[in-house]
Amino acid sequence: AQKITQTQPGMFVQEKEAVTLDCTYDTSDPSYGLFWYKQPSSGEMIFLIYQGSYDQQNATEGRYSLNFQKARKSANLVISASQLGDSAMYFCAMTTPDGYGGSQGNLIFGKGTKLSVKP
Amino acid sequence: DSGVTQTPKHLITATGQRVTLRCSPRSGDLSVYWYQQSLDQGLQFLIQYYNGEERAKGNILERFSAQQFPDLHSELNLSSLELGDSALYFCASSVVGRGMNTEAFFGQGTRLTVV
Repeated sequence: AQKITQTQPGMFVQEKEAVTLDCTYDTSDPSYGLFWYKQPSSGEMIFLIYQGSYDQQNATEGRYSLNFQKARKSANLVISASQLGDSAMYFCAMTTPDGYGGSQGNLIFGKGTKLSVKP
Repeated sequence: DSGVTQTPKHLITATGQRVTLRCSPRSGDLSVYWYQQSLDQGLQFLIQYYNGEERAKGNILERFSAQQFPDLHSELNLSSLELGDSALYFCASSVVGRGMNTEAFFGQGTRLTVV
């Protein structure tokens, strides 16, 4: 069965420093997609970054980068130059196989990491 | 603003009652997903519709049902409500129903409180 594990329930980081949020995944499917979402205290889910299992390079989106280590089945999110507005819950998620060699559109989520940025 | 609209934002109801949550996907998105977020279960996928048809089912209770209408909006119906159904219910939409990079855009959620 597929599973996403986020082992850090909460993390603190100083403003302007970089922080890494851990995510490991388990799947037997060779094709999959990995996502990171941010959920501020207001509740909405905001897409941050995507990495495909066959992508050769690590994904980057502005201050967000994904450290993808396929052999270790890890997809850690790196936030550079943290800002106060980065304080939020962060969820790692992956696609599910559709049984036909592709992936369903729905996502399996980890339990999340609460990031607090200190001024 | 993700472009996905959910109504109502908040809902308080009594046990045993029935409620309907509504979702309008982003313009052009054919696929709609419903998720439930609770403190004990985390974020769980409930059900997916693609262009009016049910595409995938997750941990959706038999008391819950959903549908997607010809104009692509979707409704999630929750009946015989229990205290444990209190949660944040998200609707998300994406362009396609399958594929790796099916980036889903989430609505702001409906917070359901069952008293």
